[in-house]
Amino acid sequence: DVKVTQSSRYLVKRTGEKVFLECVQDMDHENMFWYRQDPGLGLRLIYFSYDVKMKEKGDIPEGYSVSREKKERFSLILESASTNQTSMYLCASSPSGLAGPSFYNEQFFGPGTRLTVL
Amino acid sequence: KNEVEQSPQNLTAQEGEFITINCSYSVGISALHWLQQHPGGGIVSLFMLSSGKKKHGRLIATINIQEKHSSLHITASHPRDSAVYICAVNKGDGGSQGNLIFGKGTKLSVKP
Repeated sequence: DVKVTQSSRYLVKRTGEKVFLECVQDMDHENMFWYRQDPGLGLRLIYFSYDVKMKEKGDIPEGYSVSREKKERFSLILESASTNQTSMYLCASSPSGLAGPSFYNEQFFGPGTRLTVL
Repeated sequence: KNEVEQSPQNLTAQEGEFITINCSYSVGISALHWLQQHPGGGIVSLFMLSSGKKKHGRLIATINIQEKHSSLHITASHPRDSAVYICAVNKGDGGSQGNLIFGKGTKLSVKP
């Protein structure tokens, strides 16, 4: 079974703190994603990575950065946390498609990290 | 307007009822996904389909490419089916890196 793990289920931080959210997958997937989920807005893509050291901005990258130094690990960084970054953060991974990038991409999700910024 | 719309937003059913959740999309897609999210946050993939119909246990997913519409059906619903059901699509011809566009979800509560 694919396993995607996230470093914390619940996290409370203060405004201005630097926050690291870690995601690890054990299926050698090329693609990894960070989403945030807010009531009434659904899941929104923050950043994704399709290879080690590669990253692409998603729909809402402002205030976030990412790091992918190893294939299995994708980190989301909040350089200076703000209250509007209080949210549920979900990591996912998927394999690349057989015929080039992502023809079929079932994504496997981690359990989520509920971050509260005070 | 959202590219992926789900209805209804909330649904309450009695145990045993047949349930239908709808998803409409306005873009070309390579695949459509149905996901389930239980309280506590974890998301699991139920179906990925690009045509026709798939069945898994009491769950059935259908898609009509011409009408840009998909339905998720639950037969003989049970309280453990209570969850948020999310429709998502892979946009385009598969040339992207697998990015999904998500609907806002349908919250289902099944009462005993």
